[in-house]
Order: sequence, then structure tokens, then C-alpha cells
Amino acid sequence: AQKVTQAQTEISVVEKEDVTLDCVYETRDTTYYLFWYKQPPSGELVFLIRRNSFDEQNEISGRYSWNFQKSTSSFNFTITASQVVDSAVYFCALSDSFTGGGNKLTFGTGTQLKVEL
Amino acid sequence: NAGVTQTPKFRVLKTGQSMTLLCAQDMNHEYMYWYRQDPGMGLRLIHYSVGEGTTAKGEVPDGYNVSRLKKQNFLLGLESAAPSQTSVYFCASSYRDRDIYNEQFFGPGTRLTVL
Repeated sequence: AQKVTQAQTEISVVEKEDVTLDCVYETRDTTYYLFWYKQPPSGELVFLIRRNSFDEQNEISGRYSWNFQKSTSSFNFTITASQVVDSAVYFCALSDSFTGGGNKLTFGTGTQLKVEL
Repeated sequence: NAGVTQTPKFRVLKTGQSMTLLCAQDMNHEYMYWYRQDPGMGLRLIHYSVGEGTTAKGEVPDGYNVSRLKKQNFLLGLESAAPSQTSVYFCASSYRDRDIYNEQFFGPGTRLTVL
């Protein structure tokens, strides 16, 4: 069965530090998609990125970057020069054909990131 | 566009009471979902729908029922609320694409407390 593990429950950093959030996934499928969502203290879930299993190129968007490595089944998320506004819970999620259709997501348990001044 | 909206935002129930949570989306999405979020457990899928008139069970469906009579609406019902159903409930929707698993768009959540 598919599974997403975010082993880091909580991370605290000082502003301007770089931080990496880990995500390890399990799936039997060869075609799958990985996602990252952000949940700020206000509670809504904000989509950050989608990556399919055939595209192993790393992606950078401003201070955010993602490292996808199929060999280690990992899809890690790095925030460069962190800011207080980055404080949130970050979720990694997986969708594959074994979820039975409908683009259903299997979520990790989330990593609480606290950025302090 | 309002995106995905949920009604109500907060609710307190007594054990045994019933209620319905309403989710509406204005993006013409085919797929809709109901999740619950509990501390330390991430989001878990309750029920989902791949189109108008169709629903299916997710990971934690017991104690809940759903209906999708209109494409834009997805209702979640609790027939007899229990304290274990105290949670934050999120509705989401996504496009259907033949070979692509699209991202889900989430509503703001409903915080439900069952006493």
C-alpha cells in the first residue's frame, strides 16, 4: 500500500537559516505524483508543487526548491533564507493508480516549521 | 471565483445529534473529497466522488455518509455524532485529466466539536 513518511514532526530555525523538510514515500506503481502543501496558522491548505514520477529534475521557485530522487523514494523540500512567514505545517502527499482513481491523496503526518527572529 | 467553500466554519454538537456539512466549488471540477484532520495524523480521506451522483469510501468512512446530487456540491453527513468525530473537516476538489493526477484545491475547513 502507498505510504508517505515525514519523520520530522517539528523543526525550529532562526530567520535566514536554510531548512530542509524530508519526505519519503512508498508505492508499487511506476506512475505516480507527489505534492507539497502548506498549512499556515490560519488553517487553510495551500498547494505548493506537483511532480510526476517521470520528471526527476529538481525545481526552484524563489526561495523554495524541491529535490526528487526516485532511487531513495524521497521528495525533499528546502526553504532558503527562511522567514517568519514560512512558519506553518508542511504536508507531503502521494497519488498513484493504486488509490483507485479520482486523484486521491495519501498524506504524510506533516512537519511543523517554526521560524523565529 | 470563490473556489471551494464550506459551511459552517464551526459547530458544536452533542453526542447523538446529526448534522450536514456543505461543500461547494465553482471551478467545474469533476472530483470532490472529504478529509478529516486530527493532531499528529495528517489528513485522512473519508469519502470521495468522481462525478455527479457517484460516491465512494475512503480510508475512514465509518459514521459518515455523503451525497453528490449536483456537480458543484458535496455533502457530508453525520447521522449520530460521537466524540471521536471531533476534528477539522476539509473539503477539496480537483480536475479530471486522463493521464495526470491534478492537485486538489481545499476549502477553509470546518471545526467540529462533539461533546
